[in-house]
Amino acid sequence: AQKVTQAQTEISVVEKEDVTLDCVYETRDTTYYLFWYKQPPSGELVFLIRRNSFDEQNEISGRYSWNFQKSTSSFNFTITASQVVDSAVYFCALSEASYGQNFVFGPGTRLSVLP
Amino acid sequence: EAQVTQNPRYLITVTGKKLTVTCSQNMNHEYMSWYRQDPGLGLRQIYYSMNVEVTDKGDVPEGYKVSRKEKRNFPLILESPSPNQTSLYFCASRPTGDHREQFFGPGTRLTVL
Repeated sequence: AQKVTQAQTEISVVEKEDVTLDCVYETRDTTYYLFWYKQPPSGELVFLIRRNSFDEQNEISGRYSWNFQKSTSSFNFTITASQVVDSAVYFCALSEASYGQNFVFGPGTRLSVLP
Repeated sequence: EAQVTQNPRYLITVTGKKLTVTCSQNMNHEYMSWYRQDPGLGLRQIYYSMNVEVTDKGDVPEGYKVSRKEKRNFPLILESPSPNQTSLYFCASRPTGDHREQFFGPGTRLTVL
């Protein structure tokens, strides 16, 4: 069965520190899709990135970067030089291509960036 | 503006009183879904719909009903709400195929007393 684990429940860093949010997934499928969403204190869900299982290239977008490693079933998210506005709950999610249209979220990691 | 809307945004009700949370999208998406968010559990899928008149259960469907009579609307119905359905609910939509990202509504905070 598909499952997403985010072992870090809460993380606190001081502004300008780098921080990595871990995501480990389980799937039976060879074709699947991984996502990261951000939920700021205002409550909405903001899409950050989508990666398919055939694309293991790391991605960088400004201060954000993602490291996808199929060998360890991980899709980690790093924020470089964190800012107070990065304070939010971050969710990793998985969607399998073959097994219906379920979209499974991890429990989330609450990141607090202190000034 | 492309968006998913939900109403109401906040609702306090009592056990057993039927309620409906509406969801509408203006992006012509085939796929729509409902989630509930609870502390420590992330978002869990309640129901989803691949297209008009096609709905299927997610991971936590008990106590909920949905219908998809029109492409743009996907209401969530609680026939007899109970306190364990107190939660934050999100509706989402996306185009079918290729497992693209979902677009989420603003959320509905439901309290059942």
